Amino acid sequence: DVKVTQSSRYLVKRTGEKVFLECVQDMDHENMFWYRQDPGLGLRLIYFSYDVKMKEKGDIPEGYSVSREKKERFSLILESASTNQTSMYLCASSLTGLETGELFFGEGSRLTVL
Amino acid sequence: GQNIDQPTEMTATEGAIVQINCTYQTSGFNGLFWYQQHAGEAPTFLSYNVLDGLEEKGRFSSFLSRSKGYSYLLLKELQMKDSASYLCAVMDSNYQLIWGAGTKLIIKP
Repeated sequence: DVKVTQSSRYLVKRTGEKVFLECVQDMDHENMFWYRQDPGLGLRLIYFSYDVKMKEKGDIPEGYSVSREKKERFSLILESASTNQTSMYLCASSLTGLETGELFFGEGSRLTVL
Repeated sequence: GQNIDQPTEMTATEGAIVQINCTYQTSGFNGLFWYQQHAGEAPTFLSYNVLDGLEEKGRFSSFLSRSKGYSYLLLKELQMKDSASYLCAVMDSNYQLIWGAGTKLIIKP
């Protein structure tokens, strides 16, 4: 079974802090994604990566950056956390190919910014 | 703009049948996905439709009409464990997934 592991299930940070969210997948997937999930809204794509050291902006990249130094690991970075970044963050991976919509998700990291 | 609409919440009775609808307006179409998400857990893949018609997978079926921009997920013989949110997502012409806000399904005994 594919396993996508997010390092922290719950985090509480203060405004202005730098936040790292880590995601690791164990199935050698090419594609990795970071989404945020907010009540009443569909999943919104922050960043994605189709290969090591490659990254592409999604729909809402402002205030975020990412790092993919190894194939299995995709990190989301909030350089200076703000209260409007309080959300559930979901990491996902998929097999190679643009048309692969079957995503494997991690259990999420719920971030609260005070 | 691109838009996916699905009901916010539905209630059904254990053992019954429920249909969750999803309508979409997107820039192109490369398939429609349904995911299940239990509270506090990761979304998990249920189905994928790219051609018109009904795809059956056990108690769950998914239907697509591309001309109407419409899909539904049909759940039969409902069980309490089916209480979850059901997410509809469409892959557009750029192979990007556009997500609906999800339908929270509540199953009552």
